[in-house]
Amino acid sequence: GAVVSQHPSWVICKSGTSVKIECRSLDFQATTMFWYRQFPKQSLMLMATSNEGSKATYEQGVEKDKFLINHASLTLSTLTVTSAHPEDSSFYICSASGSKNIQYFGAGTRLSVL
Amino acid sequence: AQKVTQAQTEISVVEKEDVTLDCVYETRDTTYYLFWYKQPPSGELVFLIRRNSFDEQNEISGRYSWNFQKSTSSFNFTITASQVVDSAVYFCALSRISTGNQFYFGTGTSLTVIP
Repeated sequence: GAVVSQHPSWVICKSGTSVKIECRSLDFQATTMFWYRQFPKQSLMLMATSNEGSKATYEQGVEKDKFLINHASLTLSTLTVTSAHPEDSSFYICSASGSKNIQYFGAGTRLSVL
Repeated sequence: AQKVTQAQTEISVVEKEDVTLDCVYETRDTTYYLFWYKQPPSGELVFLIRRNSFDEQNEISGRYSWNFQKSTSSFNFTITASQVVDSAVYFCALSRISTGNQFYFGTGTSLTVIP
């Protein structure tokens, strides 16, 4: 199946710093990518839909100035958590929409903010 | 509104037992897709199956089988002769074709297969 690469897989940062997470579709072009957040033992919560060449669409309650999304090419979307705080600690997962409406997921990024 | 319900939060079975994971969905769309994904402890979601709302044929893939019943809005997943490697969280999801493939996930069922 299609491959989505997400980097880094794990990051620890100090409170107040910014963290960038990359999501790449390795063997297909993805005009649409999605960013999710997952708390322990909970389901995936859609944060935003990232569209290549245009602004991301954020879900209600997600701060767009806090979670900056850039989708500069058909194979790369980035999520930047700005001025991270401990409450931003979570598991972030990206996905890319491939053929047949199947979403392929990255391996996730575990963010810990100290 | 779209909603996916996985009423079973945790299930434990002994190896080689069969287990069925339930999924019930709500949507007013006439055309949609249903999915099952597996999330092992490593965290990556692995695609298992996609079912088109027009296709109610049941599907079997090795030890996995899926029962799609449109009349009851259910899309259940059965693992036959479970193995320890099947231990994971399983998510059922619905995709709206009308809104560019937006997914709605259930809350997941954590399956533990005991050796």
